[in-house]
Amino acid sequence: TQLLEQSPQFLSIQEGENLTVYCNSSSVFSSLQWYRQEPGEGPVLLVTVVTGGEVKKLKRLTFQFGDARKDSSLHITAAQPGDTGLYLCAGLYNQGGKLIFGQGTELSVKP
Amino acid sequence: KAGVTQTPRYLIKTRGQQVTLSCSPISGHRSVSWYQQTPGQGLQFLFEYFSETQRNKGNFPGRFSGRQFSNSRSEMNVSTLELGDSALYLCASSSLQTGGYTGELFFGEGSRLTVL
Repeated sequence: TQLLEQSPQFLSIQEGENLTVYCNSSSVFSSLQWYRQEPGEGPVLLVTVVTGGEVKKLKRLTFQFGDARKDSSLHITAAQPGDTGLYLCAGLYNQGGKLIFGQGTELSVKP
Repeated sequence: KAGVTQTPRYLIKTRGQQVTLSCSPISGHRSVSWYQQTPGQGLQFLFEYFSETQRNKGNFPGRFSGRQFSNSRSEMNVSTLELGDSALYLCASSSLQTGGYTGELFFGEGSRLTVL
């Protein structure tokens, strides 16, 4: 069974702080995505990483894919209240397979 | 381009009833996936349809079923509802690219099912 472990589950920080969310698996990913979900809405794709060691930046968000393609991290610099939401990582283990989601990290950024 | 549309957005049923949820994917997307989201279990994969055929299936009982029509619209059905079926049911569409599929999904806003 392929499992994606995401940590931490909950994170409450003050505006301006930095944070990192981790996503780990014992299996190798074909590709991995990060999504953000706000209450009452469906998840929205933030980024896709495919190559081991890949780093992608989206404004204050930095996404890193592990060299072995088994783990990923999301780092947010100078968090803002608008970053509040549920962050989900999702891995594709083979191109014909299904996308497996981590449990999510509930982030709350207080002004 | 219109996004993924799910109907109904909210519904309340009682145990033993059945429910049908509908999903219209983004125009041109032929793959539709369904997920169940609950606070305790997170996003759990139900099934995926492509060109009217079920390509992948999750570990849910046979009470959960789905289908896809020739216009790519999809429905999922849950029969003999149980209290534990209360959840947000999310539909997502995808544009499968030959030789380059990386799994990006475009989600609808979901159908919130409450079973009493």
